[in-house]
Amino acid sequence: AQSVAQPEDQVNVAEGNPLTVKCTYSVSGNPYLFWYVQYPNRGLQFLLKYITGDNLVKGSYGFEAEFNKSQTSFHLKKPSALVSDSALYFCAVRSYGNNRLAFGKGNQVVVIP
Amino acid sequence: DTGVSQDPRHKITKRGQNVTFRCDPISEHNRLYWYRQTLGQGPEFLTYFQNEAQLEKSRLLSDRFSAERPKGSFSTLEIQRTEQGDSAMYLCASSRDRDGNQPQHFGDGTRLSIL
Repeated sequence: AQSVAQPEDQVNVAEGNPLTVKCTYSVSGNPYLFWYVQYPNRGLQFLLKYITGDNLVKGSYGFEAEFNKSQTSFHLKKPSALVSDSALYFCAVRSYGNNRLAFGKGNQVVVIP
Repeated sequence: DTGVSQDPRHKITKRGQNVTFRCDPISEHNRLYWYRQTLGQGPEFLTYFQNEAQLEKSRLLSDRFSAERPKGSFSTLEIQRTEQGDSAMYLCASSRDRDGNQPQHFGDGTRLSIL
């Protein structure tokens, strides 16, 4: 079985401050980890992925995420948040050979001007 | 390249009616997925195609649901005898994935409302 936990329903951050969205996962074998962002009435937009290699991965729009195997975490980060980053963020995981993505319930990010 | 396209964007129907949704994946993407997303939740996997073959189905996909991808290009998802609980956003995604490490690219979804 594979699953994702996103413990916070909403993350509030002031514009210009660092943004962190937390994600922990559970999977058998090596994980493939993904972050997506969703704007109202839109589909999910891919931000970044971790497959193997460096634990710090960089993605679109200045986002990055750090893979921590011992803590089974894959937290999303951005050094300086923009108002336009306000959206719903989803962490997802799948294991090698498994075609289905398991998503967390999402985190609403609100960036305050 | 153009993204994943889904049609219609919104569908309102009465309980008991049949509905069909269409998904056009990114060209040359061999894999196509259907997910369902309800309010306040993340997407839940429904089914997966590799080319025209439907290789995996979730237990969420009851016998009222059927999906096809007849020529390995576009796909349709049909729901027969719709129920209130079918109200959700239906998302389609595609990927060109030989190694299992490519991201799935999502369309904007079809929002189904059952009256």
